[in-house]
Amino acid sequence: NAGVTQTPKFRILKIGQSMTLQCTQDMNHNYMYWYRQDPGMGLKLIYYSVGAGITDKGEVPNGYNVSRSTTEDFPLRLELAAPSQTSVYFCASRLDREGTEAFFGQGTRLTVV
Amino acid sequence: GNSVTQMEGPVTLSEEAFLTINCTYTATGYPSLFWYVQYPGEGLQLLLKATKADDKGSNKGFEATYRKETTSFHLEKGSVQVSDSAVYFCALLRGSARQLTFGSGTQLTVLP
Repeated sequence: NAGVTQTPKFRILKIGQSMTLQCTQDMNHNYMYWYRQDPGMGLKLIYYSVGAGITDKGEVPNGYNVSRSTTEDFPLRLELAAPSQTSVYFCASRLDREGTEAFFGQGTRLTVV
Repeated sequence: GNSVTQMEGPVTLSEEAFLTINCTYTATGYPSLFWYVQYPGEGLQLLLKATKADDKGSNKGFEATYRKETTSFHLEKGSVQVSDSAVYFCALLRGSARQLTFGSGTQLTVLP
């Protein structure tokens, strides 16, 4: 039972570099989310998707892009890394049904130097 | 809009103490309510949930009752352990909303 899998677990980027955070889920959930969590803070929603081909902005989308070509995968792209993007990133998914909880991945700790 | 207000942290308790973490919400109608726990270096895990008024969610000795009249979902445990040290998040999901609304989290430290 893999659930939500994120890769990599850790990454150090230099300012201006690009990278893709991978997220895949095997529960056939149609809703998927990307959050960031800064030290001592709560979760902030970056982007979400309600199904393949459909994405929408969350609270803090600037500097990020997403795509959803399949139900299983929801990668997050950082085009020009900045120190302000140093954070822990969590992917989550849930079923489109009232009262259902979200399942979270283990997180990617990203440091931009 | 929907919102969740959690008790300010951090909270530090001795082992076997009683725990209460307050959570109140603002939402129309009857949202579903959740408590998530985040252990150090890990993602969030569902601890318990309640989907209608007066429901009690429970898991691992933790309990929370959905109180519509006070719009609250306070987390309680009768006797905490060192292994309960974590960050606890209250969250709600309102009807057809596409995303959960999270509180700011409460850091709990239990000392031996």
